[in-house]
Amino acid sequence: SQTIHQWPATLVQPVGSPLSLECTVEGTSNPNLYWYRQAAGRGLQLLFYSVGIGQISSEVPQNLSASRPQDRQFILSSKKLLLSDSGFYLCAWSGDRGPGYGYTFGSGTRLTVV
Amino acid sequence: QQQVKQSPQSLIVQKGGISIINCAYENTAFDYFPWYQQFPGKGPALLIAIRPDVSEKKEGRFTISFNKSAKQFSLHIMDSQPGDSATYFCAASRRTGNQFYFGTGTSLTVIP
Repeated sequence: SQTIHQWPATLVQPVGSPLSLECTVEGTSNPNLYWYRQAAGRGLQLLFYSVGIGQISSEVPQNLSASRPQDRQFILSSKKLLLSDSGFYLCAWSGDRGPGYGYTFGSGTRLTVV
Repeated sequence: QQQVKQSPQSLIVQKGGISIINCAYENTAFDYFPWYQQFPGKGPALLIAIRPDVSEKKEGRFTISFNKSAKQFSLHIMDSQPGDSATYFCAASRRTGNQFYFGTGTSLTVIP
């Protein structure tokens, strides 16, 4: 069966520090991968999605970047964190046939920038 | 432009009552409409989904009603329980598209 792993679960980082969040998927190949951010009590904001290695689509201009160095690995990064980067970050995957064939979220990373 | 509009933002229901959350979409090409349930500190999990070839789908106490002509769909939770207290997101997509378009979420509180 397919599983999605996301880490770390919680992270407290000072303003101006770098960020690297990792997401990996097991049990499938060529998944579509997604990064979302959820501010406290708010909805799901799509940040990036990827349909293949090295293919990244950005939905909103921001202080963050994403990379997909391997088929089942998706990384969210920042060179210098801002206070406004605090939030709950979620990785998700779907099969390469499209989100209607399964769309699963990871357990999330709670990022607090201080 | 908000592709999927969800209401209400929050909902308080007595135990045993019916919870109703509504969503409306814009793109007539959408052909897959799921609902996700999210507990605090957890990722959203698929609750129930419907395709536009049916007007209703029921799974236990959860029912999706779908009105294609009005471009609306809703989640009904029958006999609501305190354990149903969570945030609910509707979504829409083309089944073979690249992403979901999520509603803004509804925080449901079921009072014992």
